[in-house]
Amino acid sequence: SAVISQKPSRDICQRGTSLTIQCQVDSQVTMMFWYRQQPGQSLTLIATANQGSEATYESGFVIDKFPISRPNLTFSTLTVSNMSPEDSSIYLCSGTGGTNTGELFFGEGSRLTVL
Amino acid sequence: GNSVTQMEGPVTLSEEAFLTINCTYTATGYPSLFWYVQYPGEGLQLLLKATKADDKGSNKGFEATYRKETTSFHLEKGSVQVSDSAVYFCALSPFSGGYNKLIFGAGTRLAVHP
Repeated sequence: SAVISQKPSRDICQRGTSLTIQCQVDSQVTMMFWYRQQPGQSLTLIATANQGSEATYESGFVIDKFPISRPNLTFSTLTVSNMSPEDSSIYLCSGTGGTNTGELFFGEGSRLTVL
Repeated sequence: GNSVTQMEGPVTLSEEAFLTINCTYTATGYPSLFWYVQYPGEGLQLLLKATKADDKGSNKGFEATYRKETTSFHLEKGSVQVSDSAVYFCALSPFSGGYNKLIFGAGTRLAVHP
C-alpha cells in the first residue's frame, strides 16, 4: 500500500487568506483525489488531480476556489482560496495503491480552522 | 446514481459485545465495496474490502459479506474492544464512470466502554 503524507497537519487561518496543502506519496500512483470532511460529516470528493493537466472537479467545487496541481505521479497540492469559516474542514489527499480493485489510500488529513 | 446508506450512530456497546453496522448501496454495474475506519484524530484506513458478489472481506476480527441480492455489505465483529472505538465508513467504487472514485456513506461512530 502507498504511504501518503500531508502537510500541514493542521492550521488556523484568517478569513480571506489562502492556504496550500501538500500531498506526497512514497510511490507513483495512477490517480490522486482530494476529499473534504466537514466537522462530523462524511467525505465529499472535491476533485481528481490529473498529472500534467487541469484537475477534474465535482459538482459544487470550482477551480478558482480550490486550485489543484499535480506536477508528477507522487505529488499534488490543493489550495483553499479566499477562505471563510465555512471552509473549516479536514482536507484529505488520497491515491490508488497499485491494485485494480478500487480502494484508495489516504493521508492523515489537514485540519483547517478559519477564524 | 451511486450511493451508500449506513445506519445512524452513535453505536454504544460494552466490551466483548457483538457489533453490526448496516450498510446498503445503490449502484449501476458491479461495484467494489469497502469499509474504512477513522480513529480519533487520524485519517482513514482501509479495514476490509470485497470486489464481487458473495466475497467476504475480513480484517482484525471484522467481517463483511458482499450481498448483491440485498445490495448490502454489513460490518460485523463478534467481540468488540475499547480500541475499536472509531468512526466506520462504508464506501463503494463504481465499476464505471470513475473506477477509483469512492463514494462514502455518512459514517457510524462506535463507542465501546469497558
